[in-house]
Amino acid sequence: SQQGEEDPQALSIQEGENATMNCSYKTSINNLQWYRQNSGRGLVHLILIRSNEREKHSGRLRVTLDTSKKSSSLLITASRAADTASYFCATYSNDYKLSFGAGTTVTVRA
Amino acid sequence: DTGVSQNPRHKITKRGQNVTFRCDPISEHNRLYWYRQTLGQGPEFLTYFQNEAQLEKSRLLSDRFSAERPKGSFSTLEIQRTEQGDSAMYLCASSLELLYGYTFGSGTRLTVV
Repeated sequence: SQQGEEDPQALSIQEGENATMNCSYKTSINNLQWYRQNSGRGLVHLILIRSNEREKHSGRLRVTLDTSKKSSSLLITASRAADTASYFCATYSNDYKLSFGAGTTVTVRA
Repeated sequence: DTGVSQNPRHKITKRGQNVTFRCDPISEHNRLYWYRQTLGQGPEFLTYFQNEAQLEKSRLLSDRFSAERPKGSFSTLEIQRTEQGDSAMYLCASSLELLYGYTFGSGTRLTVV
């Protein structure tokens, strides 16, 4: 079974717009990570946020974490065609391995 | 080091045949993970090695599946008597330390016909 659930399942935006996706999880975590996957390829690590952090930035990415609501959000600003991919949240819980959600598929239209 | 390498990239096999996949992790990473991913889903954990020791196996890993990591370097995942339900992308990942991010390979796509 998967720990996280992303919302929405799919997102279509115009180039230059912002994309926001959310992740909810079930159990307490050590950290939460976001990954990107281009079609048919492996996953690429984007950003890691620890359970005692509330917000983190990396380039055009902004991640928030609310442990009281067991939720996280990923914001991609000024989207580009190259941002078209599936995005997954993954959590490290007490069993010390990453558990992934089902992902959000983002399409950026030129 | 060029990252995590998986071979082959694609494998088509007939039902009932055995297949073996190889993963070469980043050399200084002592943790190695296997995941399986089906279309439209996120990766599901299969098994995990710390150096050469296999520390955890998912219940998804039936008796037909076996994984090894001799000498704590590369790893192999073997599926015996393949079934159509085994068709999936098999992903390998490695990490330097516990709780760190993973570096994934490009995966091996298995099709059982």
